[in-house]
Amino acid sequence: ETGVTQTPRHLVMGMTNKKSLKCEQHLGHNAMYWYKQSAKKPLELMFVYNFKEQTENNSVPSRFSPECPNSSHLFLHLHTLQPEDSALYLCASTGTSGRTRNNEQFFGPGTRLTVL
Amino acid sequence: ELKVEQNPLFLSMQEGKNYTIYCNYSTTSDRLYWYRQDPGKSLESLFVLLSNGAVKQEGRLMASLDTKARLSTLHITAAVHDLSATYFCAVTNYGGATNKLIFGTGTLLAVQP
Repeated sequence: ETGVTQTPRHLVMGMTNKKSLKCEQHLGHNAMYWYKQSAKKPLELMFVYNFKEQTENNSVPSRFSPECPNSSHLFLHLHTLQPEDSALYLCASTGTSGRTRNNEQFFGPGTRLTVL
Repeated sequence: ELKVEQNPLFLSMQEGKNYTIYCNYSTTSDRLYWYRQDPGKSLESLFVLLSNGAVKQEGRLMASLDTKARLSTLHITAAVHDLSATYFCAVTNYGGATNKLIFGTGTLLAVQP
C-alpha cells in the first residue's frame, strides 16, 4: 500500500536547525494525523486535521508546528528540537466513504528523526 | 481517559505453536483495530472489529472482540517465522471522520525455527 507517502525517510538535525516533514495521501481521504513513536512507548497522537482544519492538538510542544494546506498534504515543521524528540514520526489518513467507512487509518512509512 | 493494555509485551514462540495476544481497554469503545509493524517499517492494518462478538480471520491470525469484557484477542495458529513482528491493538470511541486512536504498547512477537 503506497497510498500515504512521507519524506524524508530519515532526518538528522541539530537542536538549532529548522526542518519540515511532509506527508501526502493519494487515497481521497479527508482526515490526516501525525503520530510520534518513541522506543518502548505506545504511539502518541500529536495532531489531527479534518478537511484542513485542526481538530486535535494533543498537548504538543510549540517547537512542533503542523500545517495542512489541503486534504492531501500535511506538514510538520520542526524548530529548536531536543534530543528527546528523536523518534519515528508517522503520518496517517482516513475517510468516511468506501473502504474507510470503518474509519480505518492508513499509515505512511514514517520519518526516522534524530536530533543531535 | 481511555487506556489500552496489551500482554504479553514480548512473546517468543516456536514455529508450529499456538498462542494468544490480549488487548484490554478501560472504557467503552465501538471499534477496535489490530496492526502489524515490521522493524523499521510502518503500521499495516490487519483487522477492524466493529461489534461485540466480531471474529475475523486472515491466514494464521484470528482476532475477536468482546465489548462487554473490553477485551480483544489475537490468536496465532501454527506460527511461522514470517509472523515475527510487533502487533498493536488500538481503540477508538468516536465514530466521526476524525476518530482518535489510542494504541496499546505493542507485543513483540519472535517466532523461532
